[in-house]
Amino acid sequence: EAQVTQNPRYLITVTGKKLTVTCSQNMNHEYMSWYRQDPGLGLRQIYYSMNVEVTDKGDVPEGYKVSRKEKRNFPLILESPSPNQTSLYFCASSLFAGGDTQYFGPGTRLTVL
Amino acid sequence: GENVEQHPSTLSVQEGDSAVIKCTYSDSASNYFPWYKQELGKGPQLIIDIRSNVGEKKDQRIAVTLNKTAKHFSLHITETQPEDSAVYFCAANNYGQNFVFGPGTRLSVLP
Repeated sequence: EAQVTQNPRYLITVTGKKLTVTCSQNMNHEYMSWYRQDPGLGLRQIYYSMNVEVTDKGDVPEGYKVSRKEKRNFPLILESPSPNQTSLYFCASSLFAGGDTQYFGPGTRLTVL
Repeated sequence: GENVEQHPSTLSVQEGDSAVIKCTYSDSASNYFPWYKQELGKGPQLIIDIRSNVGEKKDQRIAVTLNKTAKHFSLHITETQPEDSAVYFCAANNYGQNFVFGPGTRLSVLP
């Protein structure tokens, strides 16, 4: 089944404890992206990647890191999480960079205490 | 950078009526405008999209219109059904650049 998977689905952590949220797609998509969703603000793009080893900042990249060493994986790293990073995170992928359907993962709900 | 506004933030309609959600964008370079539907507890799912070289697109009960001059695009849902109840997001994209989403519209279809 074609899908985007994220792990973990739920995470409660404390300020400053490094964490990684994994994202994987099995559709051989070139474009992958991370979003955060907050009430009243919609989806805001954190980082995106147009292909392996190619990443770029979205609208809200501060406090996040990403890497794209393989085509299928695009992990999101929070090296020193803070409470303002409490949010619902979505990974998405599409075949090409723009003008193409994005497929979203199920989401990761992160709480930083 | 791009800014996308979306109205209304909430919308209630009677089953069978039509629903219209409007979005405006600021960057004239944007050329791809998708609409996503998000059901409770799930990730957004594309329902229709339009590119800047097209003024209107339909898919059964759903249609999208684009006015490039005014920089706005709209989602039209006809003959609404209870399963249309969800949060809808519009977005704007300049091929190869980042996606910018609107804040969302919560649509409730009342039986």
